[in-house]
Amino acid sequence: QKEVEQDPGPLSVPEGAIVSLNCTYSNSAFQYFMWYRQYSRKGPELLMYTYSSGNKEDGRFTAQVDKSSKYISLFIRDSQPSDSATYLCAMKGGTSYGKLTFGQGTILTVHP
Amino acid sequence: GAVVSQHPSRVICKSGTSVKIECRSLDFQATTMFWYRQFPKQSLMLMATSNEGSKATYEQGVEKDKFLINHASLTLSTLTVTSAHPEDSSFYICSVGLAGLVETQYFGPGTRLLVL
Repeated sequence: QKEVEQDPGPLSVPEGAIVSLNCTYSNSAFQYFMWYRQYSRKGPELLMYTYSSGNKEDGRFTAQVDKSSKYISLFIRDSQPSDSATYLCAMKGGTSYGKLTFGQGTILTVHP
Repeated sequence: GAVVSQHPSRVICKSGTSVKIECRSLDFQATTMFWYRQFPKQSLMLMATSNEGSKATYEQGVEKDKFLINHASLTLSTLTVTSAHPEDSSFYICSVGLAGLVETQYFGPGTRLLVL
C-alpha cells in the first residue's frame, strides 16, 4: 500500500464547476500538507500549504485536512480552463528538512 | 515563495556522455535542495537531498556514482548524469527547502533529458 493515495483521474469538468480533489494517507506522522499544480512540461507550483487539521482558503482554492480520517482535499470554485493541469498532493512529517511524499497526481481538464 | 531556476531546460545527448544540470535559488539561501525525477504521467520520485557543504543523501535504489550531486554554495546545486543511457531519459526537477521555512519546497521549472 502506498503511503499516499490519489486518484489519477483524469477528471473533466465544465467551466464554472466546483472541483474536488482528494488524497488519503496512511502515515499518522504527517503534519504538513501541500497541494501543487503542475502544467505539462513544467515544474510543480505550490498552491496551498496547511499545517495539521483544518481549512485554509485562498481565493478560489480551499484546502481541508482531516487528520482523524487521514484525508485531505482541495476544492476549486468557479473552475477555469486555465486550471487544467495535474494536481499533486504532498505531505511530510514534523522533522525539519524532511522529504515530501507525493500522491500520484490527478489530471484535471476544465473545458469551456 | 522562492524563485528557482534550472539550466538547461532541455538537453539531448548521445548514449555514454555525461550531462550536468544546474539548479539555482535566485532569491533565497538554500541550505537544502532536492533532486527529483519524473517519468511521463507519473509522480515525482525523490532521488537525493543535497545539503550545502556536505555529501548528498541518496534515496534507496539511486546510484550515487551515476548521479553526482554537488551543492557548493547556498544558491547552486548541480546534478551530473554520468555515462547517460536511454533509460535515463526523464524530466529532472530540483526544489529548494528554505532555511527557517523547510516545511515545504519550491520547485524549479525542470530539465528534460533525452538520451539517444
